[in-house]
Amino acid sequence: GAGVSQTPSNKVTEKGKYVELRCDPISGHTALYWYRQSLGQGPEFLIYFQGTGAADDSGLPNDRFFAVRPEGSVSTLKIQRTERGDSAVYLCASSPTGTGIHGYTFGSGTRLTVV
Amino acid sequence: DAKTTQPPSMDCAEGRAANLPCNHSTISGNEYVYWYRQIHSQGPQYIIHGLKNNETNEMASLIITEDRKSSTLILPHATLRDTAVYYCIVRSDMRFGAGTRLTVKP
Repeated sequence: GAGVSQTPSNKVTEKGKYVELRCDPISGHTALYWYRQSLGQGPEFLIYFQGTGAADDSGLPNDRFFAVRPEGSVSTLKIQRTERGDSAVYLCASSPTGTGIHGYTFGSGTRLTVV
Repeated sequence: DAKTTQPPSMDCAEGRAANLPCNHSTISGNEYVYWYRQIHSQGPQYIIHGLKNNETNEMASLIITEDRKSSTLILPHATLRDTAVYYCIVRSDMRFGAGTRLTVKP
């Protein structure tokens, strides 16, 4: 597609449930990034994929959060046993490479609400 | 923590130039500086980036100091639609700070 696509755009779930958030990057982009953003704050880095592998997962807040990118294109962010504090907008971005000469293109995000 | 610091907010009169500063004193020699902006409820949008030289595109100009420890994003003729949060990041860091909330006033 022409841009980064994230689905669903909105997700409401009950505390304790499992959720999956999907990101379709721009075709051919090898680098993929997940961020989450709470109201009034900047995007918080979660994880960076280069191809199929997680090159940097230091931003994942705890072991309830996990992300995969099995074929080097689509990525899924998985959150187990959701908590109300997980409520945020989850943003995905992709880049042609992971190097500094290329910037990110962001999707519109998935707004997750845990009730 | 992000490698950049920015003022939390700024105002600018419509039609005037908006100059948004960013400090990145720990930047290393091969790290690019990128600027993004975010309008409410949308994902961040790329504006411009640079390494050492000043850069200009259809959206903005980027002035990088000779020691590369700071930069300034310039919107030459701000419009009401430029009201947004502006983020300066060091590309390799991948971390955003809180950005500068620019309000363009009529």
